[in-house]
Amino acid sequence: SQQGEEDPQALSIQEGENATMNCSYKTSINNLQWYRQNSGRGLVHLILIRSNEREKHSGRLRVTLDTSKKSSSLLITASRAADTASYFCATTVRGGAQKLVFGQGTRLTINP
Amino acid sequence: DVKVTQSSRYLVKRTGEKVFLECVQDMDHENMFWYRQDPGLGLRLIYFSYDVKMKEKGDIPEGYSVSREKKERFSLILESASTNQTSMYLCASSFLWDKTNGYTFGSGTRLTVV
Repeated sequence: SQQGEEDPQALSIQEGENATMNCSYKTSINNLQWYRQNSGRGLVHLILIRSNEREKHSGRLRVTLDTSKKSSSLLITASRAADTASYFCATTVRGGAQKLVFGQGTRLTINP
Repeated sequence: DVKVTQSSRYLVKRTGEKVFLECVQDMDHENMFWYRQDPGLGLRLIYFSYDVKMKEKGDIPEGYSVSREKKERFSLILESASTNQTSMYLCASSFLWDKTNGYTFGSGTRLTVV
């Protein structure tokens, strides 16, 4: 079952621009996480935001969480060609087992 | 460097074969997971384990089984491989939810069943 849905499904921008990806989910969560996947590889954890947090930063990444709207956004500032990848949001459900449920992902392409 | 290691990057097996996918982590994580990833379907959880000898079904356990005899090792078994099990298989591990800071994934095993 898919908990998170990312929007847009694909995003293409110029190097140096900011990239924003959104994620919506359906049920109450413990935390929400963002992952990056380069083509044909495993996923790399980027950032985790807990349900009682509203915003978190890590380097060029900024994540927001709005539990009233059941949504999150990932902002990548000053994008680089190396940021080209698929980005997934994933949630752990409050009161449930400790499994991560992933969305379908956003395919981000940074054009030089 | 902490990591999750999957035994094979690419694997080709015949229909009906019994297939073992191995995953080892060196982070003393309690949780371990097996996902499969298919185009258009995203990542789907097959099985997970939160302790040695413990296992729980995920969303798509049919045709699979798992084994966790040691904390660091979690094996996925395809009892009789079929062509619809051709996929990318991803192993992951994490601490229990109250200590977790995200999952660590292996590099994946691309399995082709012919």
